[in-house]
Amino acid sequence: DIVMTQSPLSLPVTPGEPASISCRSSQSLLHRNGYNYLDWYVQKPGQSPQLLIYLASNRASGVPDRFSGSGSGTNFTMKISRVEAEDVGVYYCMQAAQTRTFGQGTKVEIK
Amino acid sequence: EVQVVESGGGLVQPGRSLRLSCTTSGFTFGDFAMNWVRQAPGKGLEWVGFIRGKTYGGTTEYAASVKGRFTISRDDSKSIAYLQINSLKTEDTALYYCTARWNYIDHWGQGTLVTVSS
Repeated sequence: DIVMTQSPLSLPVTPGEPASISCRSSQSLLHRNGYNYLDWYVQKPGQSPQLLIYLASNRASGVPDRFSGSGSGTNFTMKISRVEAEDVGVYYCMQAAQTRTFGQGTKVEIK
Repeated sequence: EVQVVESGGGLVQPGRSLRLSCTTSGFTFGDFAMNWVRQAPGKGLEWVGFIRGKTYGGTTEYAASVKGRFTISRDDSKSIAYLQINSLKTEDTALYYCTARWNYIDHWGQGTLVTVSS
């Protein structure tokens, strides 16, 4: 099974400042079709998870452009260019190259 | 309006079985892969398994941790997906989410709580 490792696990942020989360996979998520099968989700307090980024770098519908995803192969990053108070929650990466596996989650909270 | 509603959770004794349902509306159910994801109290997300849409053969995949005990099925005529859980263990205690995914479209329910305890 592919193991997903996120860091950091806790991320205190200042509103208006950037934030970055790393996600590493134990095997390459790059398909021969050129796509990386890596999604990012956020679970806001008391809510169900929602899709943020799909195929490593594509924002899902309605996601603000302050969110971006990058990376390829086994190393991926999700960035928030300027954190807002509404961005608090737990962020998960999930691989979809072989069945599915979530990372441990990164808790983003306001300092 | 898209709706994904899980049901069937509750308190159940270890060793018993349970069937969860995921009733949907507002989208073309047959096109979507139906996933089940669980979240133990205070823990992260764990993917349980999915069933592909008919276009992709309607086949299933499961996490290694549940393979052999969990079975996912679907009734496209009713737009409902199911998760059958056999030989329940205390570690199966979790909020079980149903999700519908087609390419970049992803719909989640609010979850149904399963508590396994004697």
